[in-house]
Amino acid sequence: RKEVEQDPGPFNVPEGATVAFNCTYSNSASQSFFWYRQDCRKEPKLLMSVYSSGNEDGRFTAQLNRASQYISLLIRDSKLSDSATYLCVVNRRTGRRALTFGSGTRLQVQP
Amino acid sequence: DVKVTQSSRYLVKRTGEKVFLECVQDMDHENMFWYRQDPGLGLRLIYFSYDVKMKEKGDIPEGYSVSREKKERFSLILESASTNQTSMYLCASSPQTGAEEPLHFGNGTRLTVT
Repeated sequence: RKEVEQDPGPFNVPEGATVAFNCTYSNSASQSFFWYRQDCRKEPKLLMSVYSSGNEDGRFTAQLNRASQYISLLIRDSKLSDSATYLCVVNRRTGRRALTFGSGTRLQVQP
Repeated sequence: DVKVTQSSRYLVKRTGEKVFLECVQDMDHENMFWYRQDPGLGLRLIYFSYDVKMKEKGDIPEGYSVSREKKERFSLILESASTNQTSMYLCASSPQTGAEEPLHFGNGTRLTVT
């Protein structure tokens, strides 16, 4: 089983739609969680960290469910510029301290 | 702004060649990482380093080695390139301040081994 699993998509949504992605992680020792965004043929960039209480940044909302070991990303009022691959990322405080990436969920926002 | 620079954007090498991928960061970060990215597999950690002359294996170190002689530079070495090492290689850095610190990536080196 992969340590971080995501639905690869693609999610094809119209402009203005609300879309949500989930990501599950297998290691209960995971302590830090992030969403990164990767545009086609570009490097990944941090979109937002995910806090235990949930957090919001403009149209983006991230939530963490430790009991079920998943994190989610909600995008409201989708824009064409939101089209990208969204990578779920976790970090463990025990053992190897390095980020583990999911393989990404591709979002295509259509006019 | 943090800048992570990878020496080559595209590289074509022959099977059996020794290949060096160079990465330099300009923000005095302690941590540096090498990932490879393949379709359907995502980013996989090859090696990382928390300090000069220090290295740790990631998930897929076989066929690779690394060198960190200076804090700003982290090199990935393919001892004898093979076709299954054709991939996008991404270098990243982060400060030592904690697990929550985001990674800053270079723009990648697309390596083709023929």
